[in-house]
Amino acid sequence: ETGVTQTPRHLVMGMTNKKSLKCEQHLGHNAMYWYKQSAKKPLELMFVYSLEERVENNSVPSRFSPECPNSSHLFLHLHTLQPEDSALYLCASSQLGQSNEKLFFGSGTQLSVL
Amino acid sequence: AQSVTQLDSHVSVSEGTPVLLRCNYSSSYSPSLFWYVQHPNKGLQLLLKYTSAATLVKGINGFEAEFKKSETSFHLTKPSAHMSDAAEYFCVVSDRSYKYIFGTGTRLKVLA
Repeated sequence: ETGVTQTPRHLVMGMTNKKSLKCEQHLGHNAMYWYKQSAKKPLELMFVYSLEERVENNSVPSRFSPECPNSSHLFLHLHTLQPEDSALYLCASSQLGQSNEKLFFGSGTQLSVL
Repeated sequence: AQSVTQLDSHVSVSEGTPVLLRCNYSSSYSPSLFWYVQHPNKGLQLLLKYTSAATLVKGINGFEAEFKKSETSFHLTKPSAHMSDAAEYFCVVSDRSYKYIFGTGTRLKVLA
C-alpha cells in the first residue's frame, strides 16, 4: 500500500461515453499528478496540480479534463475518447519543496476504449 | 533539457546471478536520479533515489545504484537475482520540482 488509491482498477468505455477516474492520496502531499502509460512508450506526464492549482498541462487533448477539488483528491474526466487513448492511467503524489521529494504512485486504472 | 536513456529494453538473468540494468542521463543541473520498479498490474514503487549525498545508493530488496558523473550513468545492480525481481524497471531523472523524466523501461526476466 503506497498511500495513493485509484478507482476503478479497470474501465471499459465506448467512444461516446463519459466517465471519471478518481485518485486519493493519504500522505499529506501538496502535489498530485496524472500520467499515461502506453505500451512501448515512456510514461507521459499529463497534468500536475500543486495546492489545487494546475501547474502543468502537457499538451493533453481537451477530451481529458482534470479536476482537483482539494489537496487529497484528483479526478480525470473522460469524454469522447478515441481507441488510442486506451492505456494505464497512473496517479501520483509528492511533497513539493522537500529535499527528499519523490513520487508515490497508485496502482493505476487500466482503460480500454472500444 | 534533461533526458534519460535505458540502454536495454529486455534483460534475462538466471536466478542467483547478478543483475545489471543500465541507465544514462543528461541534465543541465545537478539532478536527482531514481529507480522505480513496476510489477504486472501494479503501480510504480520507488527502489532508490540519488541526491548527491553519496554516489553509491542502497535501495530496497537488495538493489543498489552507483552515480558516475563522468560517465553520466546511474546503473542499477543486485548481487543475486530472485524470481520475485522479475518486473519492469524505470530510471528517472529530475532537475527541478515536479519535473520527472522517465526512461522507456527495462523488462527483467529471471530464469529458474
